[in-house]
Amino acid sequence: DVKVTQSSRYLVKRTGEKVFLECVQDMDHENMFWYRQDPGLGLRLIYFSYDVKMKEKGDIPEGYSVSREKKERFSLILESASTNQTSMYLCASSSNKLAADTQYFGPGTRLTVL
Amino acid sequence: AQSVTQPDIHITVSEGASLELRCNYSYGATPYLFWYVQSPGQGLQLLLKYFSGDTLVQGIKGFEAEFKRSQSSFNLRKPSVHWSDAAEYFCAVGAYNTDKLIFGTGTRLQVFP
Repeated sequence: DVKVTQSSRYLVKRTGEKVFLECVQDMDHENMFWYRQDPGLGLRLIYFSYDVKMKEKGDIPEGYSVSREKKERFSLILESASTNQTSMYLCASSSNKLAADTQYFGPGTRLTVL
Repeated sequence: AQSVTQPDIHITVSEGASLELRCNYSYGATPYLFWYVQSPGQGLQLLLKYFSGDTLVQGIKGFEAEFKRSQSSFNLRKPSVHWSDAAEYFCAVGAYNTDKLIFGTGTRLQVFP
C-alpha cells in the first residue's frame, strides 16, 4: 500500500513565523502535491512537483513556497504565516507522469495561525 | 474552463437507505473520473475511478458509480448505507496529458440510525 505521511497532525503558530510542513511518500512516486482544504471550498492546489527540484504553481501559490530535494520528500513553506493561512493542509502523491491519475493522500496537517 | 460541480453540500440519510451523490463535470477531453471519501480528521481515500470501458464502476465499501457522457455526470451510489459511511465525499476529474486533478467542493453525508 502507498503510504503518505505528514510531519504533524496539528500545528499552532504565531503570525509572522516561518512554518515548515513536511510530507514523505514511500512508493517512489514521481509527482507530489500540496493542497489546502477549507469548508465550502473543497481542495485547492497550492503547488506540485513532478520531479526532484522541479515545482509548478497551482491555483493559490501566493504566500507559499515548496522544496523537493529528494524524490520521497516534499516540503511546504509558509515564509511568514498569516491568520488567513489557518487551514487543513493535505499532501498527495501519484505515479503517472502522463496523466492526472490517482492521487494518494496523507492524513493532513491542521494548521492554526494565531 | 474545466470544472467539477457537486450540487449537494449536505445530505442526510437513514441507515439502510439507498444513497446517490451527484457529480457533474465540464471537461473538453475524455475525462478520468474519481470519487474520494474523507472520514473526519483524515486524508482522502480513493473509492473508485473511471478511465474507460464499462461505464458502471465498482469500488470499495460497496460503492459504485456510473459515467454518463451525455449528462456529463459521474454519480456515486450505494444500495444500503451504513453508519460508518458518514464522511465527506469528493468527486474529481483529470485526463491524459494533464497534470492536475480538479476537485469538487464536496458533499457531507450524515447517517441517522
